[in-house]
Formats: sequence, structure tokens, C-alpha cells
Amino acid sequence: AQSVTQLGSHVSVSEGALVLLRCNYSSSVPPYLFWYVQYPNQGLQLLLKYTSAATLVKGINGFEAEFKKSETSFHLTKPSAHMSDAAEYFCAVRGSGYSTLTFGKGTMLLVSP
Amino acid sequence: EAGVTQFPSHSVIEKGQTVTLRCDPISGHDNLYWYRRVMGKEIKFLLHFVKESKQDESGMPNNRFLAERTGGTYSTLKVQPAELEDSGVYFCASSQDQGASGNTIYFGEGSWLTVV
Repeated sequence: AQSVTQLGSHVSVSEGALVLLRCNYSSSVPPYLFWYVQYPNQGLQLLLKYTSAATLVKGINGFEAEFKKSETSFHLTKPSAHMSDAAEYFCAVRGSGYSTLTFGKGTMLLVSP
Repeated sequence: EAGVTQFPSHSVIEKGQTVTLRCDPISGHDNLYWYRRVMGKEIKFLLHFVKESKQDESGMPNNRFLAERTGGTYSTLKVQPAELEDSGVYFCASSQDQGASGNTIYFGEGSWLTVV
């Protein structure tokens, strides 16, 4: 079985501030972890993924995430938020041997000037 | 290279009518998935094709939903008859080798369905 918990349905930051979106997972097998982003009126776009190589993963648009097995976490961060980062972010897990992704409920990131 | 394409992008139908959504995966991707997100809920898996075969359809909500993938190329998802609770966004996705769970699953822009 696999599941994902995203803490906070909405996160608000000021432009230039640190972005931290939390994701905790549960998986009975070694997990592969993904962050997707959905901009307004667009589809899902892959930000980054963890596939058992380096635990610190860098993605597009300055985002990165760190896989912490002991904490079963895969939090997404960006040092300095930009207005264009406003979107909904989804964490997803895919257990080794599983064919499907299991998504969290999503976190809406709001960026204010 | 074209990504996953879905048609129609938006559809408004009356309760009881039929709607057919189409998905063209990335060329060469044997794996095709359907997901949906109803209002206020998380994105949920519907089913998974490997070429023309249904690998996993455990997420299909009921028998009003029928998915096909003729010849292992494009796929259709038919809802008949549509109910109000079917409103939401239907995402199609595709990926290469199923055996490598770390492979990226690429999503389309979704088909937004509204049942009135």
C-alpha cells in the first residue's frame, strides 16, 4: 500500500521568501517520489523526482526536494519565491513494482508582492 | 516531440448524456493511464493500459465508465450515462517501460467535464 500526506491545503508566502511545501509518504516497498505542479488552467507538469540516486533532487524553476527515509518525507523547497510560482503542487509516490502514482491532496501556493 | 494530448479540453453535458474523452499518448509509450480529479478531492487513478491490454482497472468507479485503447495507440474514456458527480478533470498520462517505476509519467492538460 502507498499513500501521501501533504500538510496544508494552502501556503502563502511573500515574493522573495522561502517556499516550503511538506510531503510525507507511506509505502510498503522502496518508493519513487515525484512533485508535480499545475499552473492555472494547465495540466500537470513534473517538477522533480526521486529515484533512489541522490537524496537531494534538483528540479525545474529553482525547486529542490530532499528525500529523508527516517522521516518518510520529501519536502519541496525554493529559496526565493516568485510571483510566477503561484500554482497548485502535488506530491506523488510510486512504490517499486507498482504501476500507478498515488497523489496527495495538493497544496495551493499563493505568492504576494 | 508532441506531449500527451487530450480532447476535448472542456465539455459541458446534461445529466444522462454520453461523453467520450480521447487521449493520444506520447509516441512510443506503451503505458497509458487515466486519472481524474473531482472537485475538492485528490487526483485519483482510474486505469492503466499496457499497449491495448488493461493492466489495472481497479480505480474505475462503476460500469458507467468504459475505457478502450484500440491497437495500443490512442485511448478513449466513455461515460454513459453521465451523472452530476462525474464532473471534474480527467487526466491522461503515458510512460515508457512499466517495469521501471522511477520512469516519469507524463500528463496531458486534462479534459474538464461539467455535468449539469
